[in-house]
Amino acid sequence: DAGITQSPRHKVTETGTPVTLRCHQTENHRYMYWYRQDPGHGLRLIHYSYGVKDTDKGEVSDGYSVSRSKTEDFLLTLESATSSQTSVYFCAITDGSREQYFGPGTRLTVT
Amino acid sequence: DQQVKQNSPSLSVQEGRISILNCDYTNSMFDYFLWYKKYPAEGPTFLISISSIKDKNEDGRFTVFLNKSAKHLSLHIVPSQPGDSAVYFCAASDTGGSQGNLIFGKGTKLSVKP
Repeated sequence: DAGITQSPRHKVTETGTPVTLRCHQTENHRYMYWYRQDPGHGLRLIHYSYGVKDTDKGEVSDGYSVSRSKTEDFLLTLESATSSQTSVYFCAITDGSREQYFGPGTRLTVT
Repeated sequence: DQQVKQNSPSLSVQEGRISILNCDYTNSMFDYFLWYKKYPAEGPTFLISISSIKDKNEDGRFTVFLNKSAKHLSLHIVPSQPGDSAVYFCAASDTGGSQGNLIFGKGTKLSVKP
């Protein structure tokens, strides 16, 4: 298994509060991704990174920001959580090949 | 507009029989296709892939077929086992506009009955 961890694994938060999810990898892979998975929608790309301090928006980036100050860490921040951001969030990594390897996921509930 | 479509939300198959999962795409620039398997409460795991220069790729019980003219690919699992019960996602990418990012279908839930 690729060395990818996500924290926290579960979180319940209130509407309007800031939330940060962390993805940590031990593979030294250049590319990192954040997805959300919702029933009826599959996996949708939120943001991705192609190197330290290099990030870009994905399909569903509104309401989310990211930061990558180290190769191994990719942070996803919800500045002011909304109920529509209740979802399961997955981090993925790749060394540049087409196959991406996913972390175990974070289940976020916004009440 | 969905670029990758998995039109069957679910599929039920008897153990030992063949499972066929289908995927259609609309973007003719896609040149690489992947299948992922996902168990509940786990992340998706890479299963098998195929480049657009091929029409078949095989790995053990899993075979992916690509029909470029029909913009269609399928995953065959033979023989199906109860442990194959999971959600299967089809994904596609191109090296051009999407920078190799993956576009996923909505998934098909496979149930293999003993």
